[in-house]
Amino acid sequence: EDQVTQSPEALRLQEGESSSLNCSYTVSGLRGLFWYRQDPGKGPEFLFTLYSAGEEKEKERLKATLTKKESFLHITAPKPEDSATYLCAVQSPKKGKLIFGQGTTLQVKP
Amino acid sequence: DAMVIQNPRYQVTQFGKPVTLSCSQTLNHNVMYWYQQKSSQAPKLLFHYYDKDFNNEADTPDNFQSRRPNTSFCFLDIRSPGLGDAAMYLCATSRVRALEQYFGPGTRLTVT
Repeated sequence: EDQVTQSPEALRLQEGESSSLNCSYTVSGLRGLFWYRQDPGKGPEFLFTLYSAGEEKEKERLKATLTKKESFLHITAPKPEDSATYLCAVQSPKKGKLIFGQGTTLQVKP
Repeated sequence: DAMVIQNPRYQVTQFGKPVTLSCSQTLNHNVMYWYQQKSSQAPKLLFHYYDKDFNNEADTPDNFQSRRPNTSFCFLDIRSPGLGDAAMYLCATSRVRALEQYFGPGTRLTVT
């Protein structure tokens, strides 16, 4: 069954303390893995799409990587404004829709 | 800037009183989606339109309906809201189904 699991559920970092968020997925025939950022009370904001193992994308302090079983969102020297919930989703060919993980809530303290 | 717009941002309705939420987009995307998101949960797809072709999720209650009168606009109608329908409702668009989706800011629905 197509499934996405994100870990950890919550992560607290000090400003400048780099870390990674994990997204493990099971899908028959990956057509795309997507990372979103969601601030409280707002809609998800699109960050990255990854299509094949080995692919990497970067945006400011964020870098997303993809293997055949998981994706990582690396956050380098985070700032308090990076605090948000980060959602991972895969496109399910079988179900014809995005399958979301439960998200990782990141808090960066100054 | 091209975007997805949702109105209103906050909606309060009474138990059983019909309510309509609206979504518009300037991206000229073919696909429009409606999601329901409850606190600390992932978005849950209710239905989507590919152009005028309506696609309902199997577990979407009959209480929820949608209309897409043209490419730019899509509406979510809740015929008889219950307390359990209180949630954030998100509209999203994509050029085609397989590509990334762009979300609007959401409408927070409160049912009293």
